[in-house]
Parts: sequence; C-alpha cells; structure tokens
Amino acid sequence: SQQGEEDPQALSIQEGENATMNCSYKTSINNLQWYRQNSGRGLVHLILIRSNEREKHSGRLRVTLDTSKKSSSLLITASRAADTASYFCATDSWGKLQFGAGTQVVVTP
Amino acid sequence: NAGVTQTPKFQVLKTGQSMTLQCAQDMNHNSMYWYRQDPGMGLRLIYYSASEGTTDKGEVPNGYNVSRLNKREFSLRLESAAPSQTSVYFCASRATGGPYGYTFGSGTRLTVV
Repeated sequence: SQQGEEDPQALSIQEGENATMNCSYKTSINNLQWYRQNSGRGLVHLILIRSNEREKHSGRLRVTLDTSKKSSSLLITASRAADTASYFCATDSWGKLQFGAGTQVVVTP
Repeated sequence: NAGVTQTPKFQVLKTGQSMTLQCAQDMNHNSMYWYRQDPGMGLRLIYYSASEGTTDKGEVPNGYNVSRLNKREFSLRLESAAPSQTSVYFCASRATGGPYGYTFGSGTRLTVV
C-alpha cells in the first residue's frame, strides 16, 4: 500500500507560471521528502521537511507540511521547461521511505 | 562521480531464469535500499539494509533475495524470474545521523518474457 498520494496526477502549465502539487499521507512520519524524476532516469532528492517544521524553501521550491491534516504541498515558482518531470512525495517513518504515485508536470515554452 | 551505480541498465530474462542486480555506492553511506517502480504505482520497497551485515524485508519482498556484500555493495537476486517482476529497479543509499535524503541510482529496466 502507498503511504503518500499526490494530487493532481498530471499538470500542464506554461513557462513562468507556478506549479502546485499536493501530497496526503496516512500515518505518522519523521519527515517528508520530495523527489523529481526525469523521464527514464533515477530520482533526485529536492527537499526534506521535518515533522516539526511547517514550511521550507529551497531556491524556487516551497514546501509546506500540515501534520494535523497529514498533507504537504510543493510549489515550484516561475517554472521552466527544464522543470518538466514527475514529482514524488515520500514519507520517512523510522528510516524507510514510502512513495506516492507521483505528479507528472509538463512545462511548455 | 560520487553516487550510486547500478548494473546492468537493461536486461531481458526468460521466465524461470535467475539473475543478480548489482548496486554500489561510494559515499560511505550506511543504509541501502532496493525499490521497484511500476507504471502508476510509484516506488515500492523490496528490501533494505540499515547497515553492513543486516538486511530486512520491505513491502514487496516475495521472489527476491538480497546480499549486503560490504558497506559499498548491495545486490538483489531474482532466483526464478516471473513476468510479474518486469519493472524498473532502483537502488538507493542514505547516510545515517540525519535526516537526509536518499541518493538513487539510474535504474535497471528488467523485462521478463
């Protein structure tokens, strides 16, 4: 069973727009992480937010975490064509990551 | 370049054949993981090794075995491949003392016919 579920499953935007995707999970966590996967490649770690944090920024990425609602969101600002990829949330419970099915993002020039 | 190296990148097996997927990391990480990725299902944990000398089952261990050969290497073996094991397999590693993100290899695309 999957711990995290992303919404939407797919997202199509134009360059310069913001992209927002959400993740919901079921059980308590130590931290939540977001990864990017370009087509046919491995996953790349983007950002980690601990369970006692509410918001975190890294460059054009902003992540929020609401443990009371068991949900997180990833915002990519001023998107670029190079941001085209699948994005996965993953919950870390005692050293094991569980992944959601991902959000496929397409950024058109 | 530092990272996680997986071999082979592609493999086609016949049902019933066996094979070993190799994974090595050069970052001195203690923990290593094997995941499989199927369309629309994200990644599912097969086996993991929290440290050298230990291995534990993940979410979908049936049909697989693992060996933590040393701190660098963590192999995944399919003893008798089945079409249901057609998937993309990813190895990952992580430093302890974190929390830290995982570093993933580029994957092995396995087809069982």
